[in-house]
Amino acid sequence: NAGVTQTPKFRVLKTGQSMTLLCAQDMNHEYMYWYRQDPGMGLRLIHYSVGEGTTAKGEVPDGYNVSRLKKQNFLLGLESAAPSQTSVYFCASSYTGREFFGPGTRLTVL
Amino acid sequence: EDKVVQSPLSLVVHEGDTVTLNCSYEVTNFRSLLWYKQEKKAPTFLFMLTSSGIEKKSGRLSSILDKKELFSILNITATQTGDSAIYLCAVEEDSNYQLIWGAGTKLIIKP
Repeated sequence: NAGVTQTPKFRVLKTGQSMTLLCAQDMNHEYMYWYRQDPGMGLRLIHYSVGEGTTAKGEVPDGYNVSRLKKQNFLLGLESAAPSQTSVYFCASSYTGREFFGPGTRLTVL
Repeated sequence: EDKVVQSPLSLVVHEGDTVTLNCSYEVTNFRSLLWYKQEKKAPTFLFMLTSSGIEKKSGRLSSILDKKELFSILNITATQTGDSAIYLCAVEEDSNYQLIWGAGTKLIIKP
């Protein structure tokens, strides 16, 4: 039982490049979330999903897109990376209340 | 607007001290309050509190929720350097799929 996994763990992009972060969970959770965390700050919700095929915007959705084609996977895309998107990205899943977090992806945009 | 406020934002104490971290909230339809610990990685779950006045305890950590006064405290007794972390508080609302997160308290334990 792996819980929540994220790939990749680290990535460096140049401004304007695109990439996709993958989150997978094996707990059969309905709800999944993407957060970003900047130094000295708390978690900010980017997008979330309440079930397969559904997505919704969180607090800071601009510059990101998501997809949930399968219940166990939640993808976060950056179409044209900007230095302001340098951050640590966490994926989480839950069935009610308690969220289970992945290990995070450290993204640097030069 | 719903919000969760943690205090203090940072705290430095010596090993062996007792610390109290605070979390106050203003939400429309409270369901539960959660505490997480975050070291240099992902947040890990500590407690979930749903009823007022009930204390949750795990070793040297304990937490209590006051639904009347809309706050929770996290106590850590006999602190150790391994308790150094950011402690996050979050509130769950009825019929809302998102947690509302506080900014966290950064706790540093000096040997």
